Amino acid sequence: NAGVTQTPKFRVLKTGQSMTLLCAQDMNHEYMYWYRQDPGMGLRLIHYSVGEGTTAKGEVPDGYNVSRLKKQNFLLGLESAAPSQTSVYFCASSSPGTVYGYTFGSGTRLTVV
Amino acid sequence: RKEVEQDPGPFNVPEGATVAFNCTYSNSASQSFFWYRQDCRKEPKLLMSVYSSGNEDGRFTAQLNRASQYISLLIRDSKLSDSATYLCVVTPYNNNDMRFGAGTRLTVKP
Repeated sequence: NAGVTQTPKFRVLKTGQSMTLLCAQDMNHEYMYWYRQDPGMGLRLIHYSVGEGTTAKGEVPDGYNVSRLKKQNFLLGLESAAPSQTSVYFCASSSPGTVYGYTFGSGTRLTVV
Repeated sequence: RKEVEQDPGPFNVPEGATVAFNCTYSNSASQSFFWYRQDCRKEPKLLMSVYSSGNEDGRFTAQLNRASQYISLLIRDSKLSDSATYLCVVTPYNNNDMRFGAGTRLTVKP
């Protein structure tokens, strides 16, 4: 009964390096999301997807790319990491409509030095 | 002005106390409302949805005031295990664009 699984859980990157965060869900949800959470800011939407093969920009998309090649997976890429991207990243998924809210993964703590 | 604003707290209350949190939102077209709970260094988890008529789940009561654009969460008979950050969430345009408040931190002390 995994729900939403994020890998890795922790990562330290040097400025300019690239990496991919993986989100996998086993609930057959159509919609998936990537958020970042910074102190005093609340969660902010980076990108989201309403179905396999489709993605859209959220509130803070710059510096990130995403792909949804399979329904159960949603990848978040950092092309050239910057210290401003130091944050906790949460993936979430949901069924159409949010009567039941979102299910979140346990998060990835990323530090860019 | 932030879309969703909450008093960051912290609220420090003794066990058994009643505590209330308020949240205001700026978009009058907001459709759905939720309270999430987030424990330290953990992911947010849905606490309860908020309905126009108000709703209750055990010791927790949520209210929505569309005219004044605020929602509230009341916790009665606080337990130590209620210590967490409570996030106010609204969906402004469609049900798949949830906007989160920065959260209100609650500490319940013995």
